[in-house]
Amino acid sequence: AQKVTQAQTEISVVEKEDVTLDCVYETRDTTYYLFWYKQPPSGELVFLIRRNSFDEQNEISGRYSWNFQKSTSSFNFTITASQVVDSAVYFCALSERRRGSEKLVFGKGTKLTVNP
Amino acid sequence: SAVISQKPSRDICQRGTSLTIQCQVDSQVTMMFWYRQQPGQSLTLIATANQGSEATYESGFVIDKFPISRPNLTFSTLTVSNMSPEDSSIYLCSVEGQTQYFGPGTRLLVL
Repeated sequence: AQKVTQAQTEISVVEKEDVTLDCVYETRDTTYYLFWYKQPPSGELVFLIRRNSFDEQNEISGRYSWNFQKSTSSFNFTITASQVVDSAVYFCALSERRRGSEKLVFGKGTKLTVNP
Repeated sequence: SAVISQKPSRDICQRGTSLTIQCQVDSQVTMMFWYRQQPGQSLTLIATANQGSEATYESGFVIDKFPISRPNLTFSTLTVSNMSPEDSSIYLCSVEGQTQYFGPGTRLLVL
């Protein structure tokens, strides 16, 4: 069965620190997608990234970067020079293709607090 | 990216009543999904709604409790029936495009 583990329940950092959010997944599928979403206190889910299982290149987008290691089934997310606005719950998710549609299996989330 | 709206954005309801949540997308999509996020928890898929057919429910969710309509390719509704305080959650719809996009959610509090 598909499973996503985000072992860090809560992380607290001071502004400008770098922080890495861990994500480990389990799947028997050979083709799958991994996602990260941000959920600020307002509640909406903001899409951050979608990564194909065949693309192990690291990705950088501004202060955000993602490290995909298929050998360890991990898809970690790093925020460089964190800011107060980064405070949110971050979810890692894995796609499960069933009956022609893509269902997402979410981790429990990591609550990040960035203090000024 | 798809733009998704949900109504209502929040509601407070009495136990035993029902609430219908609407989800509107700005483009035609084949699949729409309904998720539940209980307080402090992660998201769990309730059902997948395909236009023109019955919704497909995940384990632990039944049609009598969460009836879903999908009358066209841009719209869906989820009804939370005979509500109890345990139904207090955020309900989110999502659609599958280049990625999965989520609506802003409906915050439901059942007293």
